[in-house]
Amino acid sequence: SQQGEEDPQALSIQEGENATMNCSYKTSINNLQWYRQNSGRGLVHLILIRSNEREKHSGRLRVTLDTSKKSSSLLITASRAADTASYFCASGSGNTGKLIFGQGTTLQVKP
Amino acid sequence: NAGVTQTPKFQVLKTGQSMTLQCAQDMNHNSMYWYRQDPGMGLRLIYYSASEGTTDKGEVPNGYNVSRLNKREFSLRLESAAPSQTSVYFCASSESGSGGSLGTDTQYFGPGTRLTVL
Repeated sequence: SQQGEEDPQALSIQEGENATMNCSYKTSINNLQWYRQNSGRGLVHLILIRSNEREKHSGRLRVTLDTSKKSSSLLITASRAADTASYFCASGSGNTGKLIFGQGTTLQVKP
Repeated sequence: NAGVTQTPKFQVLKTGQSMTLQCAQDMNHNSMYWYRQDPGMGLRLIYYSASEGTTDKGEVPNGYNVSRLNKREFSLRLESAAPSQTSVYFCASSESGSGGSLGTDTQYFGPGTRLTVL
């Protein structure tokens, strides 16, 4: 399988705590993206980090990328109940826009 | 703008029946994709089209065919449905096309089609 791996598979935290999700991928990449999926809905893009970047921020999101370890992490700070969703990493390579998705982390934020 | 639309939202088929899932995007994107999502498996790419008139196999193409009808529309056909094709199907599009950028564009997803094959 070409799929990457994410851990943990499931994460449950209290509102206000930080949530960290990790992703590993298998091939050389141009970029690593994170998507969010609410239950029963399509995926929504959160953030993209290019292969020559090591860290990127967007609001309460912080993404890191370590190409030597073929891994990335997503940190959500000061989590809210509305952050409850599944989060997927996706690695991009080549020039067709094709992505390989990880298996996802299900995050539950308890109010 | 509607973004990416998919029809139908739900479908139940009997083994051996055929059907076509429709997808359309109004963002003038070059690339379009079909994925299936199964519990615990994330999204797996079935087929993609990097530009109008071209299609390529993804990770799990067996049992499916696709047509890039024009720049807007990309359909997925199941010729003889099997229970193993029970899944949620997502269509997506992105701006990049073959020979273009380094594939750093984000993908925009439709709401999905929930298919059950009995």
